[in-house]
Amino acid sequence: AQSVAQPEDQVNVAEGNPLTVKCTYSVSGNPYLFWYVQYPNRGLQFLLKYITGDNLVKGSYGFEAEFNKSQTSFHLKKPSALVSDSALYFCAVRASLGMVTGGGNKLTFGTGTQLKVEL
Amino acid sequence: GAVVSQHPSWVICKSGTSVKIECRSLDFQATTMFWYRQFPKQSLMLMATSNEGSKATYEQGVEKDKFLINHASLTLSTLTVTSAHPEDSSFYICSAKTPARDQRWSDNQPQHFGDGTRLSIL
Repeated sequence: AQSVAQPEDQVNVAEGNPLTVKCTYSVSGNPYLFWYVQYPNRGLQFLLKYITGDNLVKGSYGFEAEFNKSQTSFHLKKPSALVSDSALYFCAVRASLGMVTGGGNKLTFGTGTQLKVEL
Repeated sequence: GAVVSQHPSWVICKSGTSVKIECRSLDFQATTMFWYRQFPKQSLMLMATSNEGSKATYEQGVEKDKFLINHASLTLSTLTVTSAHPEDSSFYICSAKTPARDQRWSDNQPQHFGDGTRLSIL
């Protein structure tokens, strides 16, 4: 079965400092990896995805993520955090097409990391 | 683009009533929509996959007679919580996957989410 681990329940960062939100995954075959952000009482907003190609993926609002196959990680990063980045961030994984695992081709989410950016 | 609208955004009702939640893809056609449930400070739990023109696929442990899903058109899926009880109170979120030009790449398309429905059963 596929799974996602977000080891930190909360990350605190000062505005202007770089931020990293960690994500590791487990899946059979090649992964499709996604990051989503959720603001209070709202649905999830898509930030970026890794399918294939360059390991560094750039997404919305200045976020980027680096795919590391050997470490099975897909950490979310931003060079300079903003207070408005404070939200709940979810990493998600799906097995690539044709690799139907115990989880099928469904999207599996991590438990989320609350990011708090302070002045 | 890729806007998903979910309605209502919140609902409070008495125990025993049925509640219908709508999920619409506003600017694209979605053959597949997903229904999730989210508990406070927890991740999203997939409840079912809604397929246009056919029966929904429910996840293990989700009662299909309690959570009725109808996907009658390419832009609308509905979730009806029947005979709701306080333990059904939760945040329900729908999503739809944008179609790929080539069906072979449909799986790498991101899901786009509605803003969720806060359901409170008294």
